[in-house]
Amino acid sequence: DVKVTQSSRYLVKRTGEKVFLECVQDMDHENMFWYRQDPGLGLRLIYFSYDVKMKEKGDIPEGYSVSREKKERFSLILESASTNQTSMYLCASRISGGNQPQHFGDGTRLSIL
Amino acid sequence: GQNIDQPTEMTATEGAIVQINCTYQTSGFNGLFWYQQHAGEAPTFLSYNVLDGLEEKGRFSSFLSRSKGYSYLLLKELQMKDSASYLCAVKRGNDYKLSFGAGTTVTVRA
Repeated sequence: DVKVTQSSRYLVKRTGEKVFLECVQDMDHENMFWYRQDPGLGLRLIYFSYDVKMKEKGDIPEGYSVSREKKERFSLILESASTNQTSMYLCASRISGGNQPQHFGDGTRLSIL
Repeated sequence: GQNIDQPTEMTATEGAIVQINCTYQTSGFNGLFWYQQHAGEAPTFLSYNVLDGLEEKGRFSSFLSRSKGYSYLLLKELQMKDSASYLCAVKRGNDYKLSFGAGTTVTVRA
């Protein structure tokens, strides 16, 4: 079974802090994704990476950056956290090519005070 | 952009059937996924359709009509554990990305 692990289930940070969310997958997947999930809006793609050291902006990249130095790990960085970044953050990974499904982690509920 | 619509909420009785509709408007359509998400948990993959027709997997079936931009997920013999959100997601061309609908929360009552 694919295992996508997010480092924290719950996180509380203050406005202006630099925040790191970590995601690790154990199935040697090439593609990795970061989403945020808000009520009524569904999942929105922040950034994705199709392979190591590669990254591309998703639909809502403003205020975020990412890092993929190793294939198994994809980090999401909030450069200067703001209250409107309070949300559920979901990481996903998939095998590259074809129409393979994405596999999700359990999410990190981030609150910015 | 893409417009993906699904109902916000549905309620059904244990043992019954529920059909969750998803309509989309997208260029370069290349497949539609359904995911199930229990509260506080990760979305899990249910089904994938790229050609017109019905795909059946046990109690769950998914249907696609590409010409109508329409899909549905059919849940039969509902069980209490089927209470969850169901997410419709569309793939476009050779994009790595999926575009998700807002999700449909299904509540199964005894």
